[in-house]
Amino acid sequence: KAGVTQTPRYLIKTRGQQVTLSCSPISGHRSVSWYQQTPGQGLQFLFEYFSETQRNKGNFPGRFSGRQFSNSRSEMNVSTLELGDSALYLCASSLSWTGINSPLHFGNGTRLTVT
Amino acid sequence: QQQVKQSPQSLIVQKGGISIINCAYENTAFDYFPWYQQFPGKGPALLIAIRPDVSEKKEGRFTISFNKSAKQFSLHIMDSQPGDSATYFCAAAPKGAQKLVFGQGTRLTINP
Repeated sequence: KAGVTQTPRYLIKTRGQQVTLSCSPISGHRSVSWYQQTPGQGLQFLFEYFSETQRNKGNFPGRFSGRQFSNSRSEMNVSTLELGDSALYLCASSLSWTGINSPLHFGNGTRLTVT
Repeated sequence: QQQVKQSPQSLIVQKGGISIINCAYENTAFDYFPWYQQFPGKGPALLIAIRPDVSEKKEGRFTISFNKSAKQFSLHIMDSQPGDSATYFCAAAPKGAQKLVFGQGTRLTINP
């Protein structure tokens, strides 16, 4: 079974631009979550989608948005990029609510650098 | 109250030794406690997980010890090997919430 696939692996953008990241979950997984990983703040939850609906949202500004398609694939968009948005963006998928019977599986991330 | 505090930040252990990483939480609504292992350039990979109704769970060389009254849990790596050198994260999630709260991570180095 293929794991969580994220594209692209690396991105370099200029401040003020926007960016879209893509995630394909493990086959059969309907929940897709996004996390931001930085050396200073660690791993922080962005949002989670299930059956094309956003169920949970973290404490990030409205510049961060996402969506999920009917095939469970998900995209994350960041508009008006700031230098502080430079981070590793991780996508994770699970069958349903995360727990012992439905653990979260992460992709290898998209490394975004904002210059 | 949503925080998970992890210690130490870094740890050096000799090959064959026991590596111990500790985490503490305050939110009593947390119902699920996984540990993740992350190698450079890779995403976190689930190592082992526990629910609060169990005090200990062992999978191979990895053991989680859970103390519900103290709101603490720890990861023990027995017979640590150089291949275990990685960053380890504890995490917690409330029941029915699709949101993991992560500790700050522990960089583990196993010296050969």
